[in-house]
Amino acid sequence: QVQLQESGPRLVKPSETLSLTCTISGGAMNNNYWTWIRQPPGKGLQWLGCIFHTGSTNYDPSLKGRVSISLDMSKNQFSLKMTSVTAADTAMYYCVRVPVTTRDFDIWGQGTLVTVSS
Amino acid sequence: QTVVTQEPSLTVSPGGAVTLTCASSTGPLTIGNYPTWFQQKPGQAPRALIYSTTNKHSWTPARFSGSLLGGKAALTVSGVQPEDEAEYYCLIYYGGAWFFGGGTKLIVL
Repeated sequence: QVQLQESGPRLVKPSETLSLTCTISGGAMNNNYWTWIRQPPGKGLQWLGCIFHTGSTNYDPSLKGRVSISLDMSKNQFSLKMTSVTAADTAMYYCVRVPVTTRDFDIWGQGTLVTVSS
Repeated sequence: QTVVTQEPSLTVSPGGAVTLTCASSTGPLTIGNYPTWFQQKPGQAPRALIYSTTNKHSWTPARFSGSLLGGKAALTVSGVQPEDEAEYYCLIYYGGAWFFGGGTKLIVL
């Protein structure tokens, strides 16, 4: 069965770039939107963006170009970069699979808590 | 910016029924917005219950159902169980992006 696992630094300094990678095991990257979602402590969910296996991307317009998502099909991975982070970017970050045919957010990673602090 | 609105909290008695709703600032929701409902319990990742308006997962209890009601997406729970106490989030697709509602805390009392 398909599993997702987030990895990356848990602590990032203000104004620096947050970088996370999601490794996919047990399944192919084709025909899915590979997605990042976050949740600040005690708050709601925010869709950050997604990438299709062709490399096309979509992002939350409110993030004003701070976010980019890329993929490496040879490694079965996709990645998130968020620039100029502040304390407001402290959150649990989840990677999620969304099949094209169902638009269903069916498989989630366990999530990784990233803290922005000096 | 698209704003998705949910009831902040609802209280229901065990065995009762409750409907949670999800409205968009863009106008009436349709199947083209692929309304999705998630359940989240404390300390856990969200789990999708309903996708594309009405579709259930294999793990979705039969008492949960999704629909469109009066231009809103709706999640109905019939025969509420104590374990249904949780936060519920709706998610809609609009203009190439997805937008979450603020969540509804369902209290079973």
